[in-house]
Amino acid sequence: AQSVTQLDSQVPVFEEAPVELRCNYSSSVSVYLFWYVQYPNQGLQLLLKYLSGSTLVKGINGFEAEFNKSQTSFHLRKPSVHISDTAEYFCAVSDTGGFKTIFGAGTRLFVKA
Amino acid sequence: EAGVVQSPRYKIIEKKQPVAFWCNPISGHNTLYWYLQNLGQGPELLIRYENEEAVDDSQLPKDRFSAERLKGVDSTLKIQPAELGDSAVYLCASSPSVLAGGQDTQYFGPGTRLTVL
Repeated sequence: AQSVTQLDSQVPVFEEAPVELRCNYSSSVSVYLFWYVQYPNQGLQLLLKYLSGSTLVKGINGFEAEFNKSQTSFHLRKPSVHISDTAEYFCAVSDTGGFKTIFGAGTRLFVKA
Repeated sequence: EAGVVQSPRYKIIEKKQPVAFWCNPISGHNTLYWYLQNLGQGPELLIRYENEEAVDDSQLPKDRFSAERLKGVDSTLKIQPAELGDSAVYLCASSPSVLAGGQDTQYFGPGTRLTVL
């Protein structure tokens, strides 16, 4: 079985500063990894995903994440955040069949002016 | 391309009353998911359909929850009777079929926020 731990429940940051949202996972099999974003009163939207290949994955809105198999981590980064990045971010893991996805508890990113 | 549609967006009911949620997935998506999202938590899978077949309903509380996807397109999730602890957001998602090779990405609807009084 897989599990996901998002290490920070809230991350406040000033506009134009860099940010890192941390995610660790556990699994006994090969996995796919995802980051989703949820804006208020909306459903989740895919930011980026790691399926295989390059461990550095680039997504939408300037976000990127790095898969580290030895540390079982998939941290999300952005070099300069905007007010509009304020949202809830969910890390998720699934088996490579993509059938069962487990979501973390989420990290609330709050960008201050 | 239209996204996943859910209705209603909000529902307030008294405990012990029945309630139903509707979801229309993205056209052509064979896989449909229902998730429960409690406040401050990530989504938790309730049931997954491949076409009209429920292939994973292990987390669905079958004493009060039921779901159907009769023609393999839209789906309904029902709770009867509702309890106070059922207050949450119910999310529907869809993805392309396994055969199409795109089953890894899920597309979510906006959810139905249920309040049980």
